[in-house]
Amino acid sequence: AQSVTQLDSQVPVFEEAPVELRCNYSSSVSVYLFWYVQYPNQGLQLLLKYLSGSTLVKGINGFEAEFNKSQTSFHLRKPSVHISDTAEYFCAVTTMDSNYQLIWGAGTKLIIKP
Amino acid sequence: NAGVTQTPKFRILKIGQSMTLQCAQDMNHNYMYWYRQDPGMGLKLIYYSVGAGITDKGEVPNGYNVSRSTTEDFPLRLELAAPSQTSVYFCASSPVSSAGELFFGEGSRLTVL
Repeated sequence: AQSVTQLDSQVPVFEEAPVELRCNYSSSVSVYLFWYVQYPNQGLQLLLKYLSGSTLVKGINGFEAEFNKSQTSFHLRKPSVHISDTAEYFCAVTTMDSNYQLIWGAGTKLIIKP
Repeated sequence: NAGVTQTPKFRILKIGQSMTLQCAQDMNHNYMYWYRQDPGMGLKLIYYSVGAGITDKGEVPNGYNVSRSTTEDFPLRLELAAPSQTSVYFCASSPVSSAGELFFGEGSRLTVL
């Protein structure tokens, strides 16, 4: 069975500073990895995904993530955050043999300080 | 393009009442899902469907029922509402060709008192 751990429930950061949101997973088979973003009072939307190929994945709004198989991690990064990045970010994992059912992390709230 | 539409957005129920959360998508997606979101808990899958006439239980199905008579609609029925069902409910859909890429509705916030 797969599991996902988001190590920080909240990450406060100053505007224009870099940020990293951490995600670790466990799985005995090959995985597909996702980051979703949820803006206040909205549904979730896909930020980026890793299916195969290059381990550095670029997404929307200047975010990127790196798949590290040896460390079973998929951390999300942005070099310079803006007030508009205030949201909750969810890491999720799935596998082919689970019929692509997503297993979700508990979420990390990104708090941008002016 | 409406995407995934959920109604109602807000609802307050009394213990023991029943209600149906509606979900419709106009993207011709085969897969549809119902999740609940509780603070600090991420998303938990309630039920899902891989096509019209086919539904299956997810991680937390107790107290809920679903049906899928058309590709577009996937209503979630709550029978005998309990305070533990206070939550935000999200409907999502995905095409068959997608591995984990879901399209979400805006959510339905349900309070059971």
